[in-house]
Amino acid sequence: DQQVKQNSPSLSVQEGRISILNCDYTNSMFDYFLWYKKYPAEGPTFLISISSIKDKNEDGRFTVFLNKSAKHLSLHIVPSQPGDSAVYFCAASEGTGANNLFFGTGTRLTVIP
Amino acid sequence: NAGVTQTPKFRILKIGQSMTLQCAQDMNHNYMYWYRQDPGMGLKLIYYSVGAGITDKGEVPNGYNVSRSTTEDFPLRLELAAPSQTSVYFCASSYSEYETQYFGPGTRLLVL
Repeated sequence: DQQVKQNSPSLSVQEGRISILNCDYTNSMFDYFLWYKKYPAEGPTFLISISSIKDKNEDGRFTVFLNKSAKHLSLHIVPSQPGDSAVYFCAASEGTGANNLFFGTGTRLTVIP
Repeated sequence: NAGVTQTPKFRILKIGQSMTLQCAQDMNHNYMYWYRQDPGMGLKLIYYSVGAGITDKGEVPNGYNVSRSTTEDFPLRLELAAPSQTSVYFCASSYSEYETQYFGPGTRLLVL
């Protein structure tokens, strides 16, 4: 039923180290993937995305890797900072269409100073 | 620039009551969306709109109604509130279906 899965509800990392957040999906027709970040009492904000024609996309400290054969993507944050502490949602879409975005359950990242 | 605003922030409803969750955006976005997020779950799409006067159902529309009379506003109506509608509701907007969605801060609803 849940087409996008984030199996780790929480992750704790020391400041300066790498944070790796994982996401799996079941629908092989998904062709666009996004990561959103959410602070308490705020709405999710877009962080980074990747198209299925790529296997890596980088934006500053954030890199998303896509492994289509494994139906798996990951978000790497290097180096992790205390301000990165938030809930991270993975999302995926199949083609175009406003009703085609499916979200994972989220992973709460805590970066320990 | 306010972005996407939602009111109220928090509300307690009794079973059977009705209410309207307000959403407004000032970015002149054509597309607007309503999602709900239940504890431990991902966001699920309730309704969306591709422009004023045009709305369509998402994944979980039952128990809700929407209207879009202006580009800026996209209210979500709950009729006959049920405990299953206890959730956090997020409104979002985007310029097109291809563009990033911008989210409001959410409305936490508790139905008792």
